[in-house]
Amino acid sequence: QSVLTQPPSVSGAPGQRVTISCTGSSSNIGAGSDVHWYQQLPGTAPKLLLYGNNNRPSGIPDRFSGSKSGTSASLAITGLQAEDEADYYCQSYDSSLSGSMVFGGGTKLTVL
Amino acid sequence: QVHLEQSGAEVKEPGTSLKVSCKASGYTLTSYSISWVRQAPGQGLEWMGRIGAYTAITKYAQKFQDRVTMNRDASTNTAYMELRSLTSDDAAVYYCARHVSGIYFGDWFDPWGQGTLVIVSS
Repeated sequence: QSVLTQPPSVSGAPGQRVTISCTGSSSNIGAGSDVHWYQQLPGTAPKLLLYGNNNRPSGIPDRFSGSKSGTSASLAITGLQAEDEADYYCQSYDSSLSGSMVFGGGTKLTVL
Repeated sequence: QVHLEQSGAEVKEPGTSLKVSCKASGYTLTSYSISWVRQAPGQGLEWMGRIGAYTAITKYAQKFQDRVTMNRDASTNTAYMELRSLTSDDAAVYYCARHVSGIYFGDWFDPWGQGTLVIVSS
C-alpha cells in the first residue's frame, strides 16, 4: 500500500484533458510538503515532469500542469497526445516515517 | 549534461548480497545527495534511502534500515548501494537518482539512472 493514493488508470482521447489525483494525509501533503510528478514511459526510467507542485523543468511542455490543495494534489494534461501514454507517479515527503520520501502507486494513462 | 550510469543486470541467489554502482557525469557527485529507488515487476516506485551531499550522511527508509548500506567514492564520482540477505521479494529494477533539495519546493529526483535489473533466484 502506497502512502500517497492515485487512481490505477485514467484514459482520454487525443486532444482531450485528463487529470490524475494524488491523495495524501496530514503527515505529508496536508502538512505542506510539496508534490512532484514523474512520467515513466514503458521500459524506461522515470523522468521528472513537475517539481514543487506546478513547476516544469526545461523541455516539459506547458500542456502539463499541477495543483495542490489540502491533502491532495493533481496533475492535468491538456491536448492529450499518443506519446503521453505512460505511467505517472506523484512523490512527496512524509514526516511520520522518520522523514521519508514517499510515492503514489502510479497511474496508467491510456490514450484512446 | 548531467547523467547517471548504473551497473549492469545481476542474478543473485537468495541470502546473498547485491551491490549496484551509479556513476555521475556532468556534475560533482558530492554537490547533491543521491537517492535509491526500486521498482518490483509491475509495481510502483519505492524509496530506499539517500546518501547526502558533502558529508555523505545516510538516511534509510525504515523497511531497509537493517540490511542496506549506501556509500560513495568521490574520486570516481560513483555512488554505491548494497543490499544484504536477498529474498525473492528483492527482485526489482533499482534506480539511482540525483536528489535535489530545493529551498522553496521540497525534494525531488532528477535525473534518474537507467536502472539495474536484479533477479533473485536459486
